[in-house]
Formats: sequence, structure tokens, C-alpha cells
Amino acid sequence: AQRVTQPEKLLSVFKGAPVELKCNYSYSGSPELFWYVQYSRQRLQLLLRHISRESIKGFTADLNKGETSFHLKKPFAQEEDSAMYYCALRGGGNKLTFGTGTQLKVEL
Amino acid sequence: GAGVSQTPSNKVTEKGKYVELRCDPISGHTALYWYRQSLGQGPEFLIYFQGTGAADDSGLPNDRFFAVRPEGSVSTLKIQRTERGDSAVYLCASSKVPLGQGAGTEAFFGQGTRLTVV
Repeated sequence: AQRVTQPEKLLSVFKGAPVELKCNYSYSGSPELFWYVQYSRQRLQLLLRHISRESIKGFTADLNKGETSFHLKKPFAQEEDSAMYYCALRGGGNKLTFGTGTQLKVEL
Repeated sequence: GAGVSQTPSNKVTEKGKYVELRCDPISGHTALYWYRQSLGQGPEFLIYFQGTGAADDSGLPNDRFFAVRPEGSVSTLKIQRTERGDSAVYLCASSKVPLGQGAGTEAFFGQGTRLTVV
């Protein structure tokens, strides 16, 4: 079975502060991990995936197999980062398993 | 070009009625996925099509739910004898090839259909 846990429903930070959205997963094989973002009144869209090892909009995420984590980080939060963030896992098949999401609120 | 299109955007139906939800994937995308998102939850997988065939329907909750994709493009999710617990946002996604093929494959999501069963 595969499972994704996002422990925080809401994360509130001030503009310019560092952000870390937590994601832990459970899967017996080698998973593919993703972060999806949903801005207000927009559709769900891919933010980044672990195999790309790239920074998107200043966000990075490193897969830690020892801790089974894929936390999303950004050094300096911007107001436009306010959105709902979902961590997702693809196991051996073609489906994604999502976490329950974390609402990020960046305050001025 | 246009992204994944879902119609209707909102649907209110009475308990016990039959509903159909439509998904128009991105042109040329062979893989199509349906997910259901209940309030406060992340999207949950329902069914995956590769071409015309349902390659994985393990997420369909019971036999009241059925989906088709007869010509390998548009898909319809059908729910019989709707129950209040079926109320959710139904999301459709498509990808050029199945997610398991190719490192850069991305699933593109539609805006969803919000189904309310009263």
C-alpha cells in the first residue's frame, strides 16, 4: 500500500520568511514523488518532481529515502506563494496517491 | 491549445438520480485519469484509461460508478443511484503517455466538476 502524509493543514508565514511544507510517505518500493499546487480558483498543477532535481518558483524538494520524506522548501516566502500544496506519490503503476494538502498563507 | 475541459462545472442532483460527468482531455493524450476530491481531502484515484480501455479501475468505490472512453478521447464518468456521500469534486487528468512511461511525463488536470447530491 502507498500512503502520503502531510501533517499540517495550514501553515502561516510572514513574507520573506522561510517556508517548509512537510511530506512523508510510505511505500515499499522506489517511488516517484511530486508536489502539486492549486492557486485560488485555478486548477491543480504540477510544481516539481523529485527526479528533476530543479528549483521552480524558488521552491526545492529533496527526496530523503532514509526518513521517507519529500519536504518542500523555499528560503523567502512571497505573497503569490499563498496556495494549497499537495504532495503526491506514484508507485509502480500509473496512478498518483495524494496527501490531504497544506494551505500556505503568506502574510504581509 | 486548450487544457483538460470538464463539464458541467457544477451539478446538483437529487439522491437516487443518475449523473454523467464529461471530460475532454488534451488532444493527443492517450492516458486519462479520474480522481475524486472530498472536502478537506486530497484527490483520490478512481480509474485510469489507456486509449479506449480501462487499464486500472481499482479506485472505483462500488458498482454504481462506471466510466467509458469509447473513442480514446472524451471520457464520461457515470454514477447511478447517487448518494449524499458521492458529493465531491470530480477531477479528470490526462497525460501524453502513461505516467509510468518517460521521466518527464506530466498529468494535466481539469478544473473539476463539483457534484452535490441533495
